[in-house]
Amino acid sequence: AQKVTQAQTEISVVEKEDVTLDCVYETRDTTYYLFWYKQPPSGELVFLIRRNSFDEQNEISGRYSWNFQKSTSSFNFTITASQVVDSAVYFCALSERGGSNYKLTFGKGTLLTVNP
Amino acid sequence: DAGVIQSPRHEVTEMGQEVTLRCKPISGHDYLFWYRQTMMRGLELLIYFNNNVPIDDSGMPEDRFSAKMPNASFSTLKIQPSEPRDSAVYFCASRPVGAFFGQGTRLTVV
Repeated sequence: AQKVTQAQTEISVVEKEDVTLDCVYETRDTTYYLFWYKQPPSGELVFLIRRNSFDEQNEISGRYSWNFQKSTSSFNFTITASQVVDSAVYFCALSERGGSNYKLTFGKGTLLTVNP
Repeated sequence: DAGVIQSPRHEVTEMGQEVTLRCKPISGHDYLFWYRQTMMRGLELLIYFNNNVPIDDSGMPEDRFSAKMPNASFSTLKIQPSEPRDSAVYFCASRPVGAFFGQGTRLTVV
C-alpha cells in the first residue's frame, strides 16, 4: 500500500528565510508520480508540481525547488526567500502505476507560517 | 476554461437531511475524483470515475453515500441521511495528472 509521510506538522519562519518541507513516501511500484499541492487559507488546492519516478532531476521554478531522491524515498520542497503569501498548508501526494488513472494518496500536510 | 466547478460552496444542513454536492469537470477530462478533507483523516479519496463509469468506490464510507456521473460534464455526490460526522470539505477533481481540483464544498451537518 502506498503511504506519504510529512513529519513536519507546522513550520514557522520569518520572511526571507529559506524553508524546506519534507516528504517521505512508500510504494511497491516502480512506476509512480509524486505531487506537491498548496492549500492557502482560502481553501482551494493548488497544483504545484508533478514528478515521475524515472526522473530524479531536481526542479526549480522561481523561488520553489524540489529535490527527488529515490534512494531515500524523499521528495522535498524548498521555498527560497519566503514571503508572507507563501503561508499555507502544503501537501505531498503519491500516485502509483503511472499516475494517470489512479488515486492520489496525500500526506497529512505541513502548515507553513511566514511572519513579516 | 473555468476549471473544475463545484456547487454549492457552503452547505449547512440538519442531521437526517439529504445533501447533494455537484461537480462540473474540465471539458475533455475523462477522469473525475471525489475527495473528502477532515482534520482527523486529512484528504481521502471517496470514489473516482473514468468515462462516466465508477471505477473505485472503496473509499465511500457507508451506504449513505452515493455518487453518480450521468454524463461527461456533471457528477453528484449524495449523502442520505446526513450525519454530523459527515461535516467536511468535499473536493471534486478531474485528471489526476496535475489533478485539477475544484474550490470545494464545505459541508456542515448540525
